[in-house]
Amino acid sequence: DTGVSQDPRHKITKRGQNVTFRCDPISEHNRLYWYRQTLGQGPEFLTYFQNEAQLEKSRLLSDRFSAERPKGSFSTLEIQRTEQGDSAMYLCASSLLGTRRAVNEQFFGPGTRLTVL
Amino acid sequence: RKEVEQDPGPFNVPEGATVAFNCTYSNSASQSFFWYRQDCRKEPKLLMSVYSSGNEDGRFTAQLNRASQYISLLIRDSKLSDSATYLCVWGIYGNNRLAFGKGNQVVVIP
Repeated sequence: DTGVSQDPRHKITKRGQNVTFRCDPISEHNRLYWYRQTLGQGPEFLTYFQNEAQLEKSRLLSDRFSAERPKGSFSTLEIQRTEQGDSAMYLCASSLLGTRRAVNEQFFGPGTRLTVL
Repeated sequence: RKEVEQDPGPFNVPEGATVAFNCTYSNSASQSFFWYRQDCRKEPKLLMSVYSSGNEDGRFTAQLNRASQYISLLIRDSKLSDSATYLCVWGIYGNNRLAFGKGNQVVVIP
Protein backbone atom coordinates (compact mmCIF):
# COMPACT_ATOMS: atom_id res chain seq x y z
CA ASP A 1 0.00 0.00 0.00
CA THR A 2 1.61 3.28 -1.09
CA GLY A 3 -0.89 5.63 0.54
CA VAL A 4 -0.57 7.65 3.74
CA SER A 5 -0.48 5.48 6.84
CA GLN A 6 -1.05 6.40 10.47
CA ASP A 7 -0.37 4.55 13.67
CA PRO A 8 -2.09 3.76 15.93
CA ARG A 9 -5.59 3.80 14.45
CA HIS A 10 -7.18 4.11 17.89
CA LYS A 11 -5.84 5.34 21.19
CA ILE A 12 -7.63 5.43 24.53
CA THR A 13 -5.82 7.22 27.31
CA LYS A 14 -6.48 8.73 30.69
CA ARG A 15 -6.49 12.44 31.25
CA GLY A 16 -3.01 13.73 32.01
CA GLN A 17 -1.15 11.08 30.05
CA ASN A 18 1.08 11.80 27.06
CA VAL A 19 0.35 10.28 23.66
CA THR A 20 2.30 10.16 20.41
CA PHE A 21 0.98 9.47 16.93
CA ARG A 22 2.93 8.61 13.81
CA CYS A 23 2.27 9.44 10.17
CA ASP A 24 4.05 7.98 7.15
CA PRO A 25 3.32 10.07 4.05
CA ILE A 26 3.43 9.04 0.42
CA SER A 27 7.13 8.61 -0.18
CA GLU A 28 7.75 11.32 -2.79
CA HIS A 29 5.59 13.95 -1.06
CA ASN A 30 7.54 16.78 0.53
CA ARG A 31 4.57 18.43 2.26
CA LEU A 32 2.99 16.87 5.34
CA TYR A 33 -0.05 18.24 7.21
CA TRP A 34 -1.77 17.49 10.50
CA TYR A 35 -5.48 18.16 10.99
CA ARG A 36 -7.91 17.49 13.81
CA GLN A 37 -11.54 16.54 13.30
CA THR A 38 -14.26 16.42 15.95
CA LEU A 39 -17.71 14.95 15.54
CA GLY A 40 -19.92 16.93 13.18
CA GLN A 41 -17.12 19.24 12.09
CA GLY A 42 -14.78 19.35 9.14
CA PRO A 43 -11.06 18.82 9.68
CA GLU A 44 -9.18 21.78 11.18
CA PHE A 45 -5.61 22.58 10.23
CA LEU A 46 -3.01 22.15 12.97
CA THR A 47 0.42 22.39 11.34
CA TYR A 48 2.43 21.53 8.26
CA PHE A 49 5.94 20.63 7.21
CA GLN A 50 7.88 21.13 4.05
CA ASN A 51 10.53 18.43 4.17
CA GLU A 52 11.79 18.59 7.78
CA ALA A 53 10.89 22.25 8.38
CA GLN A 54 7.72 23.08 10.29
CA LEU A 55 6.49 26.14 8.42
CA GLU A 56 3.15 27.00 10.00
CA LYS A 57 1.26 26.25 13.20
CA SER A 58 -2.38 26.98 13.92
CA ARG A 59 -3.49 28.77 17.06
CA LEU A 60 -5.28 25.49 17.85
CA LEU A 61 -1.88 23.97 18.52
CA SER A 62 -1.36 24.77 22.18
CA ASP A 63 2.01 24.36 23.85
CA ARG A 64 0.95 20.86 24.91
CA PHE A 65 1.17 19.81 21.27
CA SER A 66 4.41 19.26 19.43
CA ALA A 67 5.05 17.87 15.97
CA GLU A 68 8.25 16.77 14.34
CA ARG A 69 9.42 15.48 11.01
CA PRO A 70 13.09 14.84 11.76
CA LYS A 71 14.26 13.40 8.47
CA GLY A 72 11.67 14.84 6.16
CA SER A 73 9.86 11.53 5.90
CA PHE A 74 7.56 10.31 8.72
CA SER A 75 6.15 12.72 11.27
CA THR A 76 5.08 12.42 14.89
CA LEU A 77 2.49 14.42 16.79
CA GLU A 78 2.76 14.37 20.57
CA ILE A 79 0.15 15.62 23.01
CA GLN A 80 1.32 16.11 26.57
CA ARG A 81 -0.96 16.11 29.61
CA THR A 82 -3.99 15.13 27.56
CA GLU A 83 -7.36 16.70 28.33
CA GLN A 84 -10.83 15.41 27.51
CA GLY A 85 -11.16 18.19 24.94
CA ASP A 86 -8.30 16.60 22.98
CA SER A 87 -10.58 13.70 22.04
CA ALA A 88 -10.82 13.80 18.26
CA MET A 89 -9.68 12.18 15.05
CA TYR A 90 -6.16 13.28 14.15
CA LEU A 91 -5.63 13.19 10.40
CA CYS A 92 -2.37 13.36 8.52
CA ALA A 93 -2.15 14.33 4.87
CA SER A 94 0.65 14.68 2.36
CA SER A 95 1.09 16.41 -0.95
CA LEU A 96 3.65 17.59 -3.41
CA LEU A 97 4.83 21.17 -3.18
CA GLY A 98 2.18 23.62 -4.39
CA THR A 99 2.84 26.54 -6.68
CA ARG A 100 1.88 30.20 -6.63
CA ARG A 101 -1.08 29.43 -8.86
CA ALA A 102 -2.25 25.99 -7.80
CA VAL A 103 -2.98 23.92 -4.74
CA ASN A 104 -2.00 20.31 -5.10
CA GLU A 105 -4.25 17.51 -3.92
CA GLN A 106 -3.71 16.36 -0.35
CA PHE A 107 -3.97 12.66 0.33
CA PHE A 108 -5.22 11.78 3.77
CA GLY A 109 -4.33 8.89 6.00
CA PRO A 110 -7.00 6.86 7.86
CA GLY A 111 -6.53 8.93 11.01
CA THR A 112 -5.85 8.18 14.66
CA ARG A 113 -8.95 8.32 16.83
CA LEU A 114 -8.04 9.58 20.30
CA THR A 115 -10.32 9.15 23.28
CA VAL A 116 -9.30 10.81 26.52
CA LEU A 117 -11.14 9.44 29.56
CA ARG B 1 -16.80 34.40 10.86
CA LYS B 2 -15.66 30.92 9.88
CA GLU B 3 -13.61 30.66 6.73
CA VAL B 4 -16.09 28.23 5.15
CA GLU B 5 -19.80 28.02 5.97
CA GLN B 6 -21.79 24.95 5.07
CA ASP B 7 -25.28 23.74 6.02
CA PRO B 8 -24.66 20.28 7.49
CA GLY B 9 -28.10 18.86 6.67
CA PRO B 10 -28.70 15.91 6.62
CA PHE B 11 -30.07 15.89 3.11
CA ASN B 12 -32.35 12.88 2.65
CA VAL B 13 -32.51 12.21 -1.07
CA PRO B 14 -34.63 9.61 -2.88
CA GLU B 15 -32.61 7.35 -5.12
CA GLY B 16 -32.48 8.78 -8.63
CA ALA B 17 -33.19 12.34 -7.53
CA THR B 18 -30.97 15.41 -7.87
CA VAL B 19 -29.49 17.17 -4.86
CA ALA B 20 -27.56 20.43 -4.76
CA PHE B 21 -25.89 22.42 -2.02
CA ASN B 22 -23.71 25.46 -1.65
CA CYS B 23 -21.08 26.68 0.66
CA THR B 24 -19.85 30.21 1.20
CA TYR B 25 -16.30 31.27 1.89
CA SER B 26 -14.93 34.44 3.42
CA ASN B 27 -11.23 34.63 2.65
CA SER B 28 -10.33 36.55 -0.47
CA ALA B 29 -6.75 35.28 -0.72
CA SER B 30 -5.62 33.51 -3.83
CA GLN B 31 -7.01 30.06 -3.50
CA SER B 32 -8.26 26.89 -5.08
CA PHE B 33 -11.55 25.18 -4.31
CA PHE B 34 -12.46 21.54 -3.93
CA TRP B 35 -15.17 19.15 -2.91
CA TYR B 36 -14.01 16.25 -0.74
CA ARG B 37 -16.09 13.22 0.10
CA GLN B 38 -15.92 11.60 3.54
CA ASP B 39 -17.58 8.29 4.34
CA CYS B 40 -18.52 7.52 7.92
CA ARG B 41 -15.42 7.03 10.08
CA LYS B 42 -13.14 7.26 7.04
CA GLU B 43 -10.68 9.87 5.85
CA PRO B 44 -11.66 12.63 3.38
CA LYS B 45 -10.94 11.94 -0.27
CA LEU B 46 -10.86 14.40 -3.13
CA LEU B 47 -14.06 14.27 -5.17
CA MET B 48 -13.32 17.07 -7.60
CA SER B 49 -11.64 20.41 -8.00
CA VAL B 50 -13.82 23.43 -8.71
CA TYR B 51 -12.97 25.74 -11.58
CA SER B 52 -14.28 29.23 -12.31
CA SER B 53 -15.84 28.02 -15.54
CA GLY B 54 -17.63 25.18 -13.75
CA ASN B 55 -16.79 21.55 -14.27
CA GLU B 56 -18.55 18.26 -14.54
CA ASP B 57 -17.47 14.73 -13.69
CA GLY B 58 -20.12 12.20 -14.59
CA ARG B 59 -23.14 12.85 -12.40
CA PHE B 60 -21.35 15.54 -10.39
CA THR B 61 -21.22 19.23 -11.34
CA ALA B 62 -19.28 21.87 -9.43
CA GLN B 63 -19.60 25.63 -9.79
CA LEU B 64 -17.64 28.57 -8.40
CA ASN B 65 -19.05 32.07 -8.02
CA ARG B 66 -16.21 34.37 -6.97
CA ALA B 67 -18.37 37.52 -6.96
CA SER B 68 -20.78 36.04 -4.41
CA GLN B 69 -18.09 33.88 -2.77
CA TYR B 70 -19.78 30.52 -2.91
CA ILE B 71 -19.22 27.15 -4.50
CA SER B 72 -21.84 24.55 -5.27
CA LEU B 73 -22.11 20.84 -5.91
CA LEU B 74 -24.91 19.13 -7.78
CA ILE B 75 -25.41 15.38 -7.83
CA ARG B 76 -27.73 13.99 -10.49
CA ASP B 77 -29.39 10.56 -10.51
CA SER B 78 -28.37 9.87 -6.91
CA LYS B 79 -27.14 6.37 -6.09
CA LEU B 80 -27.19 4.64 -2.72
CA SER B 81 -23.39 4.70 -2.86
CA ASP B 82 -23.47 8.52 -2.91
CA SER B 83 -24.45 8.53 0.78
CA ALA B 84 -21.58 10.35 2.48
CA THR B 85 -20.58 13.74 3.80
CA TYR B 86 -19.47 16.23 1.16
CA LEU B 87 -16.93 18.73 2.42
CA CYS B 88 -16.48 22.13 0.85
CA VAL B 89 -12.78 22.98 0.90
CA TRP B 90 -10.53 25.79 -0.14
CA GLY B 91 -6.76 25.93 -0.20
CA ILE B 92 -4.36 28.84 -0.29
CA TYR B 93 -1.70 29.00 -3.00
CA GLY B 94 1.76 28.60 -1.54
CA ASN B 95 1.27 26.78 1.74
CA ASN B 96 -1.57 24.57 0.46
CA ARG B 97 -3.32 24.84 3.82
CA LEU B 98 -6.89 23.56 3.46
CA ALA B 99 -9.92 25.05 5.19
CA PHE B 100 -12.93 22.75 5.46
CA GLY B 101 -16.63 23.38 5.96
CA LYS B 102 -18.65 21.20 8.33
CA GLY B 103 -19.81 19.13 5.40
CA ASN B 104 -23.18 18.33 3.87
CA GLN B 105 -24.40 14.93 4.98
CA VAL B 106 -26.25 13.18 2.16
CA VAL B 107 -28.36 10.10 2.77
CA VAL B 108 -29.74 8.48 -0.37
CA ILE B 109 -32.91 6.56 0.38
CA PRO B 110 -34.06 3.57 -1.69
